[in-house]
Amino acid sequence: QVHLVQSGAEVKKPGASVEVSCKASGYTFTSNSIHWVRQAPGQGLEWMGTINPSGGSSSYPQKFQGRVTMTRDTSTSTVYMEVSSLRSADTAVYYCARNRADDSFDLWGQGTMVTVSS
Amino acid sequence: DIQMTQSPSSVSASVGDRVTITCRASQDISSWVAWYQQKPGKAPKLLIYTASSLQNGVPSRFSGSGSGTDFTLTISSLQPEDFATYYCQQANSFPRTFGQGTKLEIK
Repeated sequence: QVHLVQSGAEVKKPGASVEVSCKASGYTFTSNSIHWVRQAPGQGLEWMGTINPSGGSSSYPQKFQGRVTMTRDTSTSTVYMEVSSLRSADTAVYYCARNRADDSFDLWGQGTMVTVSS
Repeated sequence: DIQMTQSPSSVSASVGDRVTITCRASQDISSWVAWYQQKPGKAPKLLIYTASSLQNGVPSRFSGSGSGTDFTLTISSLQPEDFATYYCQQANSFPRTFGQGTKLEIK
């Protein structure tokens, strides 16, 4: 079975950092890039960036540059995303998704709710 | 950045109806569009890739068309399980961008 399994819900205070993990199983971890997408309550989907698990290179939209860092551990087939300087607007469900060769996202994690509240 | 403008933002329809959702890109993206379905509390699910290719396991009542800047997702005969929110996404370049979503509701 092919899966992406994410870490559990987090509650953080403004200004803190959060790290969300995404563990891949059932396929060759280094064969597909992983993207992160978030969804604020009642809102649409927002792309946060991508990491290539093979070499570790990453790309982020300008909005998140300097505040989002994606890393990977090939020994455990896990991708991590850290978001720093959290504010209330970062309250959202965060999803990881696998990129396929046609650049669609064919496999998604179950989502991780991150709540930022004082 | 490429903007994806999706319409309508919501639509009410009945079981058996034919529904079309439109997505317009702010520049030519060839056929680099995917469509996703999302139900409340669930992750998005891939329906269509490269504008018109049906993802494995997705019912054939779903179809996609278009190229360049204009794309459509059509559901030929709505079933109860199709009531959800649908998103288009461009896969032409970074940053990846999504349409704002279309909520399909039961009439």
